Amino acid sequence: ETGVTQSPTHLIKTRGQQVTLRCSSQSGHNTVSWYQQALGQGPQFIFQYYREEENGRGNFPPRFSGLQFPNYSSELNVNALELDDSALYLCASSSPRGGLQETQYFGPGTRLLVL
Amino acid sequence: DQQVKQNSPSLSVQEGRISILNCDYTNSMFDYFLWYKKYPAEGPTFLISISSIKDKNEDGRFTVFLNKSAKHLSLHIVPSQPGDSAVYFCAANYGGSQGNLIFGKGTKLSVKP
Repeated sequence: ETGVTQSPTHLIKTRGQQVTLRCSSQSGHNTVSWYQQALGQGPQFIFQYYREEENGRGNFPPRFSGLQFPNYSSELNVNALELDDSALYLCASSSPRGGLQETQYFGPGTRLLVL
Repeated sequence: DQQVKQNSPSLSVQEGRISILNCDYTNSMFDYFLWYKKYPAEGPTFLISISSIKDKNEDGRFTVFLNKSAKHLSLHIVPSQPGDSAVYFCAANYGGSQGNLIFGKGTKLSVKP
Protein backbone atom coordinates (compact mmCIF):
# COMPACT_ATOMS: atom_id res chain seq x y z
CA GLU A 1 0.00 0.00 0.00
CA THR A 2 1.47 3.34 -1.06
CA GLY A 3 1.27 6.23 1.39
CA VAL A 4 0.63 9.89 0.69
CA THR A 5 3.39 11.55 -1.31
CA GLN A 6 4.01 15.24 -1.95
CA SER A 7 6.25 17.19 -4.29
CA PRO A 8 8.42 19.14 -4.18
CA THR A 9 9.86 18.74 -0.69
CA HIS A 10 11.19 22.30 -0.56
CA LEU A 11 10.52 25.41 -2.58
CA ILE A 12 11.75 29.01 -2.52
CA LYS A 13 9.69 31.72 -4.22
CA THR A 14 9.59 35.49 -4.20
CA ARG A 15 6.67 37.68 -3.22
CA GLY A 16 4.06 38.02 -5.96
CA GLN A 17 4.93 34.75 -7.67
CA GLN A 18 2.66 31.76 -8.07
CA VAL A 19 3.29 28.21 -6.83
CA THR A 20 1.82 24.76 -7.46
CA LEU A 21 2.19 21.95 -4.95
CA ARG A 22 1.30 18.33 -5.72
CA CYS A 23 -0.06 15.42 -3.74
CA SER A 24 -0.75 11.77 -4.50
CA SER A 25 -3.26 10.19 -2.17
CA GLN A 26 -2.87 6.86 -0.43
CA SER A 27 -4.14 4.03 -2.61
CA GLY A 28 -7.86 3.45 -2.14
CA HIS A 29 -8.47 6.99 -0.84
CA ASN A 30 -10.74 9.35 -2.81
CA THR A 31 -10.53 12.46 -0.64
CA VAL A 32 -7.67 14.90 -0.26
CA SER A 33 -7.38 17.72 2.28
CA TRP A 34 -4.76 20.46 2.36
CA TYR A 35 -3.39 22.14 5.47
CA GLN A 36 -0.98 24.98 6.16
CA GLN A 37 1.30 24.68 9.17
CA ALA A 38 3.07 27.83 10.24
CA LEU A 39 6.04 27.62 12.59
CA GLY A 40 5.00 26.77 16.14
CA GLN A 41 1.35 26.22 15.18
CA GLY A 42 -0.86 23.26 14.44
CA PRO A 43 -1.95 22.56 10.87
CA GLN A 44 -4.79 24.79 9.61
CA PHE A 45 -7.37 23.46 7.16
CA ILE A 46 -7.28 25.09 3.70
CA PHE A 47 -9.76 22.97 1.75
CA GLN A 48 -10.83 19.43 0.89
CA TYR A 49 -11.52 17.74 -2.43
CA TYR A 50 -13.81 14.77 -2.86
CA ARG A 51 -14.30 13.17 -6.27
CA GLU A 52 -12.80 16.19 -8.03
CA GLU A 53 -15.06 18.75 -6.32
CA GLU A 54 -14.23 21.16 -3.51
CA ASN A 55 -15.98 19.76 -0.44
CA GLY A 56 -15.21 22.33 2.22
CA ARG A 57 -12.96 25.32 2.73
CA GLY A 58 -11.25 26.95 5.66
CA ASN A 59 -10.56 30.62 6.24
CA PHE A 60 -8.15 31.16 3.34
CA PRO A 61 -8.46 33.77 0.55
CA PRO A 62 -9.41 32.85 -3.04
CA ARG A 63 -5.78 33.07 -4.18
CA PHE A 64 -5.50 29.61 -2.60
CA SER A 65 -7.11 27.22 -5.06
CA GLY A 66 -6.97 23.55 -5.83
CA LEU A 67 -7.74 20.71 -8.16
CA GLN A 68 -8.33 17.02 -7.83
CA PHE A 69 -7.79 14.67 -10.75
CA PRO A 70 -9.61 11.46 -11.74
CA ASN A 71 -6.85 9.39 -10.10
CA TYR A 72 -7.54 11.37 -6.87
CA SER A 73 -4.20 13.14 -6.89
CA SER A 74 -4.42 16.84 -6.14
CA GLU A 75 -2.78 20.23 -6.61
CA LEU A 76 -2.69 23.28 -4.40
CA ASN A 77 -2.12 26.57 -6.21
CA VAL A 78 -1.25 29.82 -4.48
CA ASN A 79 -1.23 33.06 -6.47
CA ALA A 80 0.32 36.40 -5.57
CA LEU A 81 2.51 34.90 -2.85
CA GLU A 82 2.95 36.86 0.36
CA LEU A 83 5.68 36.55 2.97
CA ASP A 84 3.16 35.05 5.43
CA ASP A 85 2.54 32.16 3.03
CA SER A 86 5.88 30.72 4.15
CA ALA A 87 4.90 27.49 5.87
CA LEU A 88 4.79 23.72 5.67
CA TYR A 89 1.96 22.63 3.37
CA LEU A 90 0.50 19.26 4.23
CA CYS A 91 -1.72 17.03 2.18
CA ALA A 92 -3.86 14.33 3.80
CA SER A 93 -5.94 11.63 2.21
CA SER A 94 -8.91 9.71 3.53
CA SER A 95 -11.81 7.63 2.39
CA PRO A 96 -15.12 8.80 3.88
CA ARG A 97 -17.68 6.08 4.32
CA GLY A 98 -21.19 7.48 4.14
CA GLY A 99 -20.71 10.09 6.84
CA LEU A 100 -18.80 7.84 9.21
CA GLN A 101 -15.85 9.41 10.93
CA GLU A 102 -12.71 9.27 8.89
CA THR A 103 -9.03 9.28 9.70
CA GLN A 104 -6.80 11.47 7.56
CA TYR A 105 -3.32 10.24 6.68
CA PHE A 106 -0.69 12.87 6.00
CA GLY A 107 2.13 13.19 3.53
CA PRO A 108 5.58 14.52 4.47
CA GLY A 109 4.72 18.08 3.41
CA THR A 110 6.22 20.76 1.18
CA ARG A 111 8.24 23.48 2.88
CA LEU A 112 7.59 26.80 1.11
CA LEU A 113 9.72 29.85 1.74
CA VAL A 114 8.60 33.19 0.30
CA LEU A 115 11.27 35.89 0.12
CA ASP B 1 -10.52 31.68 19.16
CA GLN B 2 -8.81 28.33 19.62
CA GLN B 3 -11.29 25.48 19.67
CA VAL B 4 -8.63 22.86 20.49
CA LYS B 5 -6.04 23.75 23.11
CA GLN B 6 -2.89 22.01 24.19
CA ASN B 7 -1.73 24.16 27.08
CA SER B 8 1.60 22.46 27.67
CA PRO B 9 4.11 23.34 24.94
CA SER B 10 6.54 20.73 26.23
CA LEU B 11 6.81 17.69 28.49
CA SER B 12 9.86 15.78 29.66
CA VAL B 13 9.57 12.21 30.92
CA GLN B 14 12.00 9.49 31.96
CA GLU B 15 12.18 6.37 29.83
CA GLY B 16 9.86 3.65 31.16
CA ARG B 17 7.56 6.08 32.96
CA ILE B 18 4.12 7.23 31.86
CA SER B 19 3.67 10.23 29.54
CA ILE B 20 0.36 12.07 29.81
CA LEU B 21 -0.49 14.64 27.15
CA ASN B 22 -3.55 16.78 27.61
CA CYS B 23 -5.98 18.50 25.29
CA ASP B 24 -9.03 20.69 25.93
CA TYR B 25 -11.72 21.68 23.46
CA THR B 26 -14.51 24.21 23.43
CA ASN B 27 -16.83 23.07 20.62
CA SER B 28 -19.42 20.63 21.98
CA MET B 29 -20.24 19.54 18.42
CA PHE B 30 -16.92 17.70 18.09
CA ASP B 31 -17.59 13.98 17.93
CA TYR B 32 -14.29 12.53 16.78
CA PHE B 33 -10.86 13.11 18.25
CA LEU B 34 -7.45 12.08 17.00
CA TRP B 35 -3.84 12.20 18.14
CA TYR B 36 -1.01 12.61 15.69
CA LYS B 37 2.73 12.39 16.26
CA LYS B 38 5.13 14.50 14.24
CA TYR B 39 8.88 14.16 13.84
CA PRO B 40 10.90 17.05 12.39
CA ALA B 41 10.80 17.21 8.57
CA GLU B 42 7.98 14.66 8.41
CA GLY B 43 4.20 14.90 8.14
CA PRO B 44 1.97 14.05 11.12
CA THR B 45 1.54 10.32 11.71
CA PHE B 46 -1.83 9.07 12.94
CA LEU B 47 -1.60 7.45 16.37
CA ILE B 48 -5.01 6.80 17.82
CA SER B 49 -8.55 8.15 17.71
CA ILE B 50 -11.70 8.08 19.79
CA SER B 51 -15.34 8.64 19.01
CA SER B 52 -17.46 10.73 21.35
CA ILE B 53 -19.59 7.70 22.16
CA LYS B 54 -16.62 6.15 23.98
CA ASP B 55 -14.57 7.31 26.92
CA LYS B 56 -11.48 5.18 26.35
CA ASN B 57 -9.61 3.62 23.47
CA GLU B 58 -6.42 1.56 23.70
CA ASP B 59 -3.86 0.56 21.14
CA GLY B 60 -0.76 -1.08 22.55
CA ARG B 61 1.17 1.43 24.65
CA PHE B 62 -1.21 4.25 23.73
CA THR B 63 -4.52 4.97 25.46
CA VAL B 64 -6.76 7.95 24.84
CA PHE B 65 -9.30 9.03 27.46
CA LEU B 66 -12.23 11.32 26.71
CA ASN B 67 -14.14 13.28 29.35
CA LYS B 68 -17.01 14.91 27.49
CA SER B 69 -18.41 16.78 30.47
CA ALA B 70 -15.04 18.46 31.02
CA LYS B 71 -14.36 18.75 27.26
CA HIS B 72 -10.99 17.17 27.91
CA LEU B 73 -9.00 14.35 26.42
CA SER B 74 -5.66 12.89 27.26
CA LEU B 75 -3.15 10.56 25.66
CA HIS B 76 -1.28 8.14 27.90
CA ILE B 77 1.90 6.44 26.71
CA VAL B 78 3.07 3.55 28.88
CA PRO B 79 5.93 2.79 29.04
CA SER B 80 7.52 5.81 27.36
CA GLN B 81 10.45 5.16 25.04
CA PRO B 82 13.09 7.53 23.63
CA GLY B 83 11.62 6.95 20.15
CA ASP B 84 8.38 8.54 21.37
CA SER B 85 10.14 11.92 21.49
CA ALA B 86 8.20 14.06 19.01
CA VAL B 87 5.54 16.75 18.82
CA TYR B 88 2.06 15.42 19.58
CA PHE B 89 -1.00 17.09 18.11
CA CYS B 90 -4.56 16.71 19.28
CA ALA B 91 -7.20 17.17 16.56
CA ALA B 92 -10.98 17.12 16.42
CA ASN B 93 -13.84 17.28 13.96
CA TYR B 94 -17.56 16.60 13.71
CA GLY B 95 -19.94 15.03 11.28
CA GLY B 96 -20.65 17.56 8.59
CA SER B 97 -17.42 19.45 9.09
CA GLN B 98 -16.36 18.33 5.64
CA GLY B 99 -13.02 17.03 6.66
CA ASN B 100 -11.95 20.07 8.58
CA LEU B 101 -9.67 18.70 11.26
CA ILE B 102 -9.02 21.35 13.91
CA PHE B 103 -5.63 20.98 15.54
CA GLY B 104 -4.09 22.15 18.76
CA LYS B 105 -0.66 23.79 18.72
CA GLY B 106 1.09 20.63 19.82
CA THR B 107 3.09 19.40 22.81
CA LYS B 108 6.75 18.50 22.41
CA LEU B 109 7.48 15.29 24.30
CA SER B 110 11.05 14.45 25.27
CA VAL B 111 11.68 10.99 26.67
CA LYS B 112 15.06 10.80 28.37
CA PRO B 113 16.99 7.52 28.57
